[in-house]
Amino acid sequence: GAGVSQSPRYKVAKRGQDVALRCDPISGHVSLFWYQQALGQGPEFLTYFQNEAQLDKSGLPSDRFFAERPEGSVSTLKIQRTQQEDSAVYLCASSLRLAGDTSHYKNEQFFGPGTRLTVL
Amino acid sequence: GDSVTQMEGPVTLSEEAFLTINCTYTATGYPSLFWYVQYPGEGLQLLLKATKADDKGSNKGFEATYRKETTSFHLEKGSVQVSDSAVYFCALPTGANSKLTFGKGITLSVRP
Repeated sequence: GAGVSQSPRYKVAKRGQDVALRCDPISGHVSLFWYQQALGQGPEFLTYFQNEAQLDKSGLPSDRFFAERPEGSVSTLKIQRTQQEDSAVYLCASSLRLAGDTSHYKNEQFFGPGTRLTVL
Repeated sequence: GDSVTQMEGPVTLSEEAFLTINCTYTATGYPSLFWYVQYPGEGLQLLLKATKADDKGSNKGFEATYRKETTSFHLEKGSVQVSDSAVYFCALPTGANSKLTFGKGITLSVRP
């Protein structure tokens, strides 16, 4: 089957513009994660969904960042009034695992190719 | 909190050389440990994993052993190929939702 897909792959925004980044997880995966990867750094956690519920948004850097997954499948990460420091690659990942499930075989996260956001 | 520390890079090797990439971690309990790889122009892929102490994960000629006593998960390969050129990340799941905490990553370049 298809893997995780993200769109657009590249986005250039002028400072102050709003952007929306889309993630299509693997069908049937209940968990969905968003990460931010700055240049030369490892990905950093932004937010987590289990189905349509946003269970953890502790990594969102400001209230300009908003994520949703209304039907428990596709997710959108929205950044309002973009700033230059928002320039990064935004990664989406999905997994079969439910929060609190200790099954190791379910905890692999499958990543999409990312959206590279450049804010001018 | 939980954290992962990787050796500084980049690393440049000749084909067929031996590779070691160091990774140490700080965590509560004994989480699974992962190595992810990011090939040029592609997304992150799981390379290998280990779920408990003394486990050895292996894939594509790469190996890493979960060492509880040294809190390490070093990645090794006996003979690298040009196609191994990529960025390598050590990671561990944290919290009830198993969000991943990554190291900074290290870029490996293998020359013919």
